[in-house]
Amino acid sequence: GEDVEQSLFLSVREGDSSVINCTYTDSSSTYLYWYKQEPGAGLQLLTYIFSNMDMKQDQRLTVLLNKKDKHLSLRIADTQTGDSAIYFCAETHYGGSQGNLIFGKGTKLSVKP
Amino acid sequence: DSGVTQTPKHLITATGQRVTLRCSPRSGDLSVYWYQQSLDQGLQFLIQYYNGEERAKGNILERFSAQQFPDLHSELNLSSLELGDSALYFCASSADRSISRTDTQYFGPGTRLTVL
Repeated sequence: GEDVEQSLFLSVREGDSSVINCTYTDSSSTYLYWYKQEPGAGLQLLTYIFSNMDMKQDQRLTVLLNKKDKHLSLRIADTQTGDSAIYFCAETHYGGSQGNLIFGKGTKLSVKP
Repeated sequence: DSGVTQTPKHLITATGQRVTLRCSPRSGDLSVYWYQQSLDQGLQFLIQYYNGEERAKGNILERFSAQQFPDLHSELNLSSLELGDSALYFCASSADRSISRTDTQYFGPGTRLTVL
């Protein structure tokens, strides 16, 4: 089956690193995504990683993938108050006839000044 | 700005009514996806269209339907509305240059539907 799970809340201090975790269950070739949703706004694509990669870095964002444990994490370095939002982990399948995203429930990140 | 537009931004209607939500994908994107975001169910996939044809169905109610037009814009029709249909409805588009390829999805700002 397909299921994506995330912890619901994370609180950090401004300037610290934030680590948001996600687990997924599907074992077929897949893309894994991180989306950000600010209050009252849509979903903004942050980054993605293919399931044959271990790590991807993009400025302050680092994605780590542990394929054995089906564990994905998003690290935000030097977290700012503007990073306060809900972060969604999602997966989809590469090359399949269905490309829909399967989302976790989202992790609400609160950044304290 | 993702390049995906949705109208209207907000919609307030009564139970039993019918509404139409509109989505314009990014220029050149062939696939349109519809998702529903509610407090209890989270983000759920409803339906996908690819180049005018229905390609995949998710948890879409029979009261809901969609279509994609020759210019690739899409409409989601919700009928016999119930209180529980109140939610944010997102449209996403992706290039999907071939039927077997799944590309990154870019989301519109959503339509907030309130059913009273």
